[in-house]
Amino acid sequence: NAGVTQTPKFRVLKTGQSMTLLCAQDMNHEYMYWYRQDPGMGLRLIHYSVGEGTTAKGEVPDGYNVSRLKKQNFLLGLESAAPSQTSVYFCASSASPHEQYFGPGTRLTVT
Amino acid sequence: AQSVSQHNHHVILSEAASLELGCNYSYGGTVNLFWYVQYPGQHLQLLLKYFSGDPLVKGIKGFEAEFIKSKFSFNLRKPSVQWSDTAEYFCAVIPGYSSASKIIFGSGTRLSIRP
Repeated sequence: NAGVTQTPKFRVLKTGQSMTLLCAQDMNHEYMYWYRQDPGMGLRLIHYSVGEGTTAKGEVPDGYNVSRLKKQNFLLGLESAAPSQTSVYFCASSASPHEQYFGPGTRLTVT
Repeated sequence: AQSVSQHNHHVILSEAASLELGCNYSYGGTVNLFWYVQYPGQHLQLLLKYFSGDPLVKGIKGFEAEFIKSKFSFNLRKPSVQWSDTAEYFCAVIPGYSSASKIIFGSGTRLSIRP
């Protein structure tokens, strides 16, 4: 099993550009999550999904949108990137109420 | 708001020293507790977890943690650290009321081991 994979691994955007990050999991988990990791702040939840076709807001949802059209995929979109969105983005999945499994991360820089 | 506190932001130890990293949480009900480790350039991996039962939990690579309910604490310990333990360590909590296994992470403790 590949576990949780993320595409792309690195990306540089200019302010105002848009992009989509893809997360895929092959563990048949119901729950999926998007986090951002910033120095000294740990991981903060952006959006999450409790099943195919569902999404919900986390702690820091502004500026991001998500979709879960298929159970194994969870997409994170930035419609108009801002420098404040420079961060490392991690996707995770879980079979509630158990621990979450994390992907390798996407390093995004917005200039 | 519920929170997880890791008071040590950066810990520097020599090899073979003993380690204890503090973790306190603010939720008073049932909790699921975790320690995750992030080695340089890698993603988070689970070190150990506590759901119920024996409050002393043993994890991978010789790590253990003790859940002390009265102190709202879940401190991570290792009797003798190695250079390969250099990493960032995150304590995390899933409050019992969470219906979606939403984890609340601490801000992390960076551990540096001198060879």
